[in-house]
Amino acid sequence: DSGVTQTPKHLITATGQRVTLRCSPRSGDLSVYWYQQSLDQGLQFLIQYYNGEERAKGNILERFSAQQFPDLHSELNLSSLELGDSALYFCASSQGALGANVLTFGAGSRLTVL
Amino acid sequence: AQKITQTQPGMFVQEKEAVTLDCTYDTSDPSYGLFWYKQPSSGEMIFLIYQGSYDQQNATEGRYSLNFQKARKSANLVISASQLGDSAMYFCAMRERQGGSEKLVFGKGTKLTVNP
Repeated sequence: DSGVTQTPKHLITATGQRVTLRCSPRSGDLSVYWYQQSLDQGLQFLIQYYNGEERAKGNILERFSAQQFPDLHSELNLSSLELGDSALYFCASSQGALGANVLTFGAGSRLTVL
Repeated sequence: AQKITQTQPGMFVQEKEAVTLDCTYDTSDPSYGLFWYKQPSSGEMIFLIYQGSYDQQNATEGRYSLNFQKARKSANLVISASQLGDSAMYFCAMRERQGGSEKLVFGKGTKLTVNP
């Protein structure tokens, strides 16, 4: 157990729907990162939050949004889902700035869009 | 432009032998960090080893060592005495600065298969 908790582990939904993925970071970690892993694109950085504030944005679609709450848990919202959004979504956390700090990953949420 | 390149989509090794997984990177930032992660078939991402750009010695963690050649911009992972449980995807990643923050950029990965 890495200490980063992601729910749900698996999610099957239909095109056009909206889903929310949840992440609780490791105790003491202030930064949360979201990554998308698909077969064709590999591991893509989506977005980072630090202590409730957005810090960096990557290849995140406009249909996707995220936030980090005062208790430091984070949610990734995916809307108007398309077949191509099917992927493994990882949340990772670190204490603060990366530096030599390791990103600790959760087990991932596997999204299947039918 | 791809910043992390892993040229070996798949590698095979016999149990108990050593194997080297290649990784080259591209950056103009003098301060950077390189990471290796393992992803078994169960899907989780497991941190293996870290090398900072200013570290004088190559990093080692148990059976894992990093062959860091700064001038060649390569950071190859060496696994000694391979075990069946080492069969997995291996990802090289680089810490990249973006504005006031940092993120990890990953390579496409190498699938390692350890044969008995």
